Amino acid sequence: EVQLVQSGAEVKKPGESLKMSCKGSGYRFSDYWIGWVRQMPGKGLEWMGIMYPGDSDTRYSPSFQGRVTISADKSISTAYLQWSSLQASDTAIYYCARSSGSGRLDAFDIWGQGTMITVSS
Amino acid sequence: DIVVTQSPDSLAMSLGETATINCKSSQSLLHSANNKNYLGWYQQKPGQPPKLLFHWASTRESGVPDRFSGSGSGTDFTLTISSLQAEDVAVYYCQQCYITPFSFGQGTRLEIK
Repeated sequence: EVQLVQSGAEVKKPGESLKMSCKGSGYRFSDYWIGWVRQMPGKGLEWMGIMYPGDSDTRYSPSFQGRVTISADKSISTAYLQWSSLQASDTAIYYCARSSGSGRLDAFDIWGQGTMITVSS
Repeated sequence: DIVVTQSPDSLAMSLGETATINCKSSQSLLHSANNKNYLGWYQQKPGQPPKLLFHWASTRESGVPDRFSGSGSGTDFTLTISSLQAEDVAVYYCQQCYITPFSFGQGTRLEIK
C-alpha cells in the first residue's frame, strides 16, 4: 500500500524551532515529488512548496520562502518541513502529499494524515 | 502567480440533484506539449486530508464514482456531481498544477438541504 505517515502533533512556544517528518512507503520515494500544504483552522488549503528527493530540487511558494525549509533523506524515504522560529500564526494542520506520476510535478494523489501544530505562549 | 477562483463559495442541494462547481484560473492551464490541462479537483471531508478526484481536469482517479465528472479547458473548469448523496457533503477544491506555486482555489462547501 502506498502511504505517507506524518509525525505527531506538537505544541510549541513562539520562537521555538520545529522539524516535522513525513515517511513514504509502498513506492520508490526518490522518484516522486513530495509537497507540503498548510491548512489554518477553519480555512482552505495553501501550497507551501515541493521537493524532488531524487536530486533535492526544491520549489517554494513566495508566501513561505524564507519561513520554512523543505528537505528529505531519501535513504530513509522521509521528507521534512522545518521552522527555525515559530510564530503563533503558524498554528495549523500541515499535510505532506505526493505528486501523481513518477518524476512529474502535478496534483497530489497521496496525502499524509496531517500534523497539527499549535504555537502558543 | 496564478490566481484560482472558485464559485460559488457554498451551495446547498437536495439528495439526487446535480451540483456544479466552477473554477477559473487567471491564466491558461493548457500545456501545449501534451494538450493536457494541469488542474486537479479534491474533496475534503471534515477531519480528513483532501482526496484527489481528478487530475488533468477530467482524468478520474481510481475509485471515484462516475457520478463525479470534471470538464473544461484553458482557464475555465467545472466539477459536476450528479445524483447527490449524503456522503458527498464536503469542501471541494481545485488546484492549478501548471506553474509553481501550485495554488488552490478558496474551496466550495457542499451541503445537503
